[in-house]
Amino acid sequence: QAVLTQPSSLSASPGASASLTCTLRSDINVGSYRIYWYQQKPGSPPQYLLRYKSDSDKQQGSGVPSRFSGSKDASANAGILLISGLQSEDEADYYCMIWHSSAVVFGGGTKLTVL
Amino acid sequence: QVQLQESGPGLVKPSETLSLTCTVSGGSISSYYWSWIRQPAGKGLEWIGRISTSGSTNYNPSLKNRVTMSVDTSKNQFSLKLSSVTAADTAMYYCARDVGGTNHALFDSWGQGTLVTVSS
Repeated sequence: QAVLTQPSSLSASPGASASLTCTLRSDINVGSYRIYWYQQKPGSPPQYLLRYKSDSDKQQGSGVPSRFSGSKDASANAGILLISGLQSEDEADYYCMIWHSSAVVFGGGTKLTVL
Repeated sequence: QVQLQESGPGLVKPSETLSLTCTVSGGSISSYYWSWIRQPAGKGLEWIGRISTSGSTNYNPSLKNRVTMSVDTSKNQFSLKLSSVTAADTAMYYCARDVGGTNHALFDSWGQGTLVTVSS
């Protein structure tokens, strides 16, 4: 079982909200981890969006709009990236990441389509 | 603003060693970790490893036996060597600055990437 699991794709309409999930393997407690989120558009390297561990331990990337936010669903053992007020420019691949056992682990990524 | 630029051969033969260098400009290479991340075409990101300017390293366990990283602070460069390559190592290779610290990782600056193809 992968350490981090993301749905491969998600579609949402302009102006709506999109909730991207990053589920941790069952033996890893999401409450113990900072979840990092990156956005990647075709032909470009990823860009850091934000990190979230708790409401008191979170950070927004430089220049990242406040309509991008992080949270957790402890019952699902998952980190969540919420994008509100979707815009066409938000269409991209989104990757979650954690630092686990002295190594970086990326999720498989979610392709977000805005249509 | 710091900028990173990858350089190295775009074509490597199977069983040989892939060697890449990342040159950092617009800032000092000191005081941070420096990572290599790769991405096969149409697939997700895979972290290869990182090095600090003191020489401390962390590697992806799945690649650890084939990876060597080094840093040259006088040239503001850090390097990757990946041995015994196969077609599965064909990917876009990115270098990135990691400002996360000892027990965290946060990639705030990335190079544009260099495509490495493994083929005879």
